[in-house]
Amino acid sequence: GQQVMQIPQYQHVQEGEDFTTYCNSSTTLSNIQWYKQRPGGHPVFLIQLVKSGEVKKQKRLTFQFGEAKKNSSLHITATQTTDVGTYFCAGHPWGNNRLAFGKGNQVVVIP
Amino acid sequence: DGGITQSPKYLFRKEGQNVTLSCEQNLNHDAMYWYRQDPGQGLRLIYYSQIVNDFQKGDIAEGYSVSREKKESFPLTVTSAQKNPTAFYLCASSALGGVDYEQYFGPGTRLTVT
Repeated sequence: GQQVMQIPQYQHVQEGEDFTTYCNSSTTLSNIQWYKQRPGGHPVFLIQLVKSGEVKKQKRLTFQFGEAKKNSSLHITATQTTDVGTYFCAGHPWGNNRLAFGKGNQVVVIP
Repeated sequence: DGGITQSPKYLFRKEGQNVTLSCEQNLNHDAMYWYRQDPGQGLRLIYYSQIVNDFQKGDIAEGYSVSREKKESFPLTVTSAQKNPTAFYLCASSALGGVDYEQYFGPGTRLTVT
């Protein structure tokens, strides 16, 4: 069953504003990965977090892995039209070598 | 893109026919995966292979079959037993099948069965 949950499932964001998308797991994860899928495209790897409490930044994107390694977040500042797409988190539950994807957060940017 | 090719991009079939989707990678990756994507459902794992001549069922393997005769190739057959085959199919690969490796996705094949 679904082990990784993402909220919200849809977001409409005004260009220039900030937004956050969340990823929660019922079990402890060995790591978390984030992917972005543009409309009509395929998922592209963004980043991987491994350590408890880890924070990584990529320009306007900030990724965080929770202390308990059960949740993660992606925060985007000063949203641009190029940020449109679906953001997926994917985690590896401990003892399981299969990646469990969330259902994604579809982001629409309003110019 | 990313050294993984899937063909064709769009595929149309009549109900009751088997169809095989191609996936080839030149990344020298050991692990390969097939996912199915439906609107609002995220990515669901169909089959995966960590080494040549070996593969395992994913979460929704019923009605599908795969083979891994070569490291570079991991074709997926959608059989007539698959009750709702219309979907977007994505192939992916990673360096190894372990937990620390990012997956590289192909451009996908959109299958429509009528």
